[in-house]
Amino acid sequence: EPEVTQTPSHQVTQMGQEVILRCVPISNHLYFYWYRQILGQKVEFLVSFYNNEISEKSEIFDDQFSVERPDGSNFTLKIRSTKLEDSAMYFCASSEYLQTDTIYFGEGSWLTVV
Amino acid sequence: GEDVEQSLFLSVREGDSSVINCTYTDSSSTYLYWYKQEPGAGLQLLTYIFSNMDMKQDQRLTVLLNKKDKHLSLRIADTQTGDSAIYFCAESPNSGGGADGLTFGKGTHLIIQP
Repeated sequence: EPEVTQTPSHQVTQMGQEVILRCVPISNHLYFYWYRQILGQKVEFLVSFYNNEISEKSEIFDDQFSVERPDGSNFTLKIRSTKLEDSAMYFCASSEYLQTDTIYFGEGSWLTVV
Repeated sequence: GEDVEQSLFLSVREGDSSVINCTYTDSSSTYLYWYKQEPGAGLQLLTYIFSNMDMKQDQRLTVLLNKKDKHLSLRIADTQTGDSAIYFCAESPNSGGGADGLTFGKGTHLIIQP
């Protein structure tokens, strides 16, 4: 079964450093998403991406964050100048259609900021 | 804004049925989802229901939707130890345009007693 893959599975970084989380969405999918889950809290939507641009973003997705599809397969989330409160599990997801009935998630990248 | 609520824990005996409940506030929800998260793993889509349906069955899983009360439930028949996980209810708002993200509940920890 096709799957969304994410790297790294776990990253520890110092406060103030930049982090790039990588995702390979399912190959025929057109919509890509990033979510995050702070420990013990809800899974929260960050951003959606289609046709090489951001479609929607939440209030969480401020200037500290950026997304990019640098080639035909990868989808990245960059977090500049990380803060302690950025520590969370970051999930990448993809879907074939807009307002789809099936959004597939990766296994997540656990980011710890120290 | 939209909100999704679930109880945090459910404990059932192996072989019994589990019923996980969820309430949501957005009356324009188009799709409602159940995701499963096993320890250290990503979010696995279990099943979904379109808002014009009131029931969907898929093997051991039965989803019931009461749109009037904005109540969604997931019934797992003959619960097994492998069903131990966190179950997330999520809804997709009908924005009519952009790729809005899913709104998740906090998740229900399903604990199976032998």
